Amino acid sequence: EPEVTQTPSHQVTQMGQEVILRCVPISNHLYFYWYRQILGQKVEFLVSFYNNEISEKSEIFDDQFSVERPDGSNFTLKIRSTKLEDSAMYFCASSDTSGGALEQFFGPGTRLTVL
Amino acid sequence: GIQVEQSPPDLILQEGANSTLRCNFSDSVNNLQWFHQNPWGQLINLFYIPSGTKQNGRLSATTVATERYSLLYISSSQTTDSGVYFCAVDQYDYKLSFGAGTTVTVRA
Repeated sequence: EPEVTQTPSHQVTQMGQEVILRCVPISNHLYFYWYRQILGQKVEFLVSFYNNEISEKSEIFDDQFSVERPDGSNFTLKIRSTKLEDSAMYFCASSDTSGGALEQFFGPGTRLTVL
Repeated sequence: GIQVEQSPPDLILQEGANSTLRCNFSDSVNNLQWFHQNPWGQLINLFYIPSGTKQNGRLSATTVATERYSLLYISSSQTTDSGVYFCAVDQYDYKLSFGAGTTVTVRA
């Protein structure tokens, strides 16, 4: 069964460093998303991406964040200068949306630890 | 934005017991999903259920969209059912809003 994959599974970085989180969405899906979950809290929407541009973004998704689809398979989230409060689990998701299907499929997550 | 409330916040079950988890939402939605977050933090899709009833093994879910709630039923619970169960809804804008979750602990 097709699935969303994410790398790395765990990333440790120093405050102020740039990190890139990588995702491979399900191949025929058209919408891509990033969510984050701070430890012990609920999952929060960050950004959605469709047709090579940002569709929606939350207040969390400030100028420190950017997304890119560098090729036909990868979808990346870049955090330019990490802060301690960026420590969280980051989930990538994708959805098909054709035929009215809206179900989002989530990857296993990347646990980001900022020291 | 839309409010998503889940109850109860915590649930402790004896293995073999049945339980019902509830998700209330404050406005109309065009997507509702249930997830199970396992101890490793992975979000596992359980149901895509904007309306109606679905069953998958020992789990089933019902969404009554007109009354703005959804129920997740766990029957004959097993220790592997432990974890956090999240309800998430989408209000026609392709972004899921999650509830705070129900933490389920199943004891052997």
